[in-house]
Amino acid sequence: DAGITQSPRHKVTETGTPVTLRCHQTENHRYMYWYRQDPGHGLRLIHYSYGVKDTDKGEVSDGYSVSRSKTEDFLLTLESATSSQTSVYFCAISEGRGGPYNSPLHFGNGTRLTVT
Amino acid sequence: GQQLNQSPQSMFIQEGEDVSMNCTSSSIFNTWLWYKQDPGEGPVLLIALYKAGELTSNGRLTAQFGITRKDSFLNISASIPSDVGIYFCAGLPHYGGSQGNLIFGKGTKLSVKP
Repeated sequence: DAGITQSPRHKVTETGTPVTLRCHQTENHRYMYWYRQDPGHGLRLIHYSYGVKDTDKGEVSDGYSVSRSKTEDFLLTLESATSSQTSVYFCAISEGRGGPYNSPLHFGNGTRLTVT
Repeated sequence: GQQLNQSPQSMFIQEGEDVSMNCTSSSIFNTWLWYKQDPGEGPVLLIALYKAGELTSNGRLTAQFGITRKDSFLNISASIPSDVGIYFCAGLPHYGGSQGNLIFGKGTKLSVKP
């Protein structure tokens, strides 16, 4: 394992409620990413971080925000959850030597979120 | 936007058979990564490729970075039941522009007949 812990592993929430997912790494890697995985779409990037307090949007960032106050933690927040955000969310990390993808991504085991 | 076409989408094979899958695109890529995902878990990196023509092995797995830089192949030799899972390719386009634009294929679901 690449030293990545996602919490919670499963969550059921109601439409309109805020939800925060946590990713914790013990590898001291610079880059952290949030992906969602949906049938027919594969893995899609939501947001990523290239350092403490440095974040940027990915392909499907609408409705999501992130924060990274420490190297080891990257939080994904759904301010007001919608049913379309029902998905499996994966955190990933990479060393980022010479750039974000010069070293491969390593993934956590995911959080299954259901919005009812 | 750029897309990766991964094929086949699924396959059933007999134990002991060799398996081939590939990812293709109309765009040029700088990096190819191959992952395997088991149910309830995150994708696990199998092989990373960084140069056109590169051929890299990891046990019974061999992957190649296509010479045109528009494709990559993964081969599994002498498949066994634990090879079951979903295999994903991922590529970093040549004209990546901003960071964070690794593109994933939709996966090849491999099932092995015991």
